[in-house]
Amino acid sequence: SYVLTQPPSVSVAPGQTARITCGGNNIGSKSVHWYQQKPGQAPVLVVYDDSDRPSGIPERFSGSNSGNTATLTITRVEAGDEADYYCQVWDSSSDHWVFGGGTKLTVL
Amino acid sequence: EVQLVESGGGLVQPGRSLRLSCAASGFTFDDYAMHWVRQAPGKGLEWVSSITWNSGSIGYADSVKGRFTISRDNAKNSLHLQMNSLRAEDTALYYCAKGRDILTGRFDYWGQGTLVTVSS
Repeated sequence: SYVLTQPPSVSVAPGQTARITCGGNNIGSKSVHWYQQKPGQAPVLVVYDDSDRPSGIPERFSGSNSGNTATLTITRVEAGDEADYYCQVWDSSSDHWVFGGGTKLTVL
Repeated sequence: EVQLVESGGGLVQPGRSLRLSCAASGFTFDDYAMHWVRQAPGKGLEWVSSITWNSGSIGYADSVKGRFTISRDNAKNSLHLQMNSLRAEDTALYYCAKGRDILTGRFDYWGQGTLVTVSS
């Protein structure tokens, strides 16, 4: 089955740039979606189809995807960005949705 | 405004059954695929099951296949998950999520979840 690998944690100071990676075999050939989940809340879609943003999501959130790594980039990080972030892809070989293990973003 | 409200969770003994429901509003329900995703306490997201707008295509995670059944009632704007032969490892918060016009599209709205606890 297809596996998505995320770092368990990423820490960044306010105002700096956070990069959260999502590794998978030839993930560049798939569409990657990213979700933000704050404590006690439901997940929220922040980036879809590698690099598109839903309405209402700040431009500070962006995504890229190439080769074996997709990346969620958050610029000018704020305290309110502290959350767990999950990547997701559709695995057409198994007809299954797959989530990464999640990355906890800590704002120092 | 899109709203998804899950219900039906609770405490159940191993081996028993439970039926979850998700009431949808704020969008044309029968235009979109729908999904169930669960999250065990302190753990990450796990996809459970998906269903297309017309129930023509359905998928299950290997961990629930043969035990869980997803269904929808487009006339009532509702999504369901029948869970049989429940195990301790099924204990989780179960989320309903709205998909796109195809099964492989993103999950653009999520409900707040309903908690299922499997324990004797």
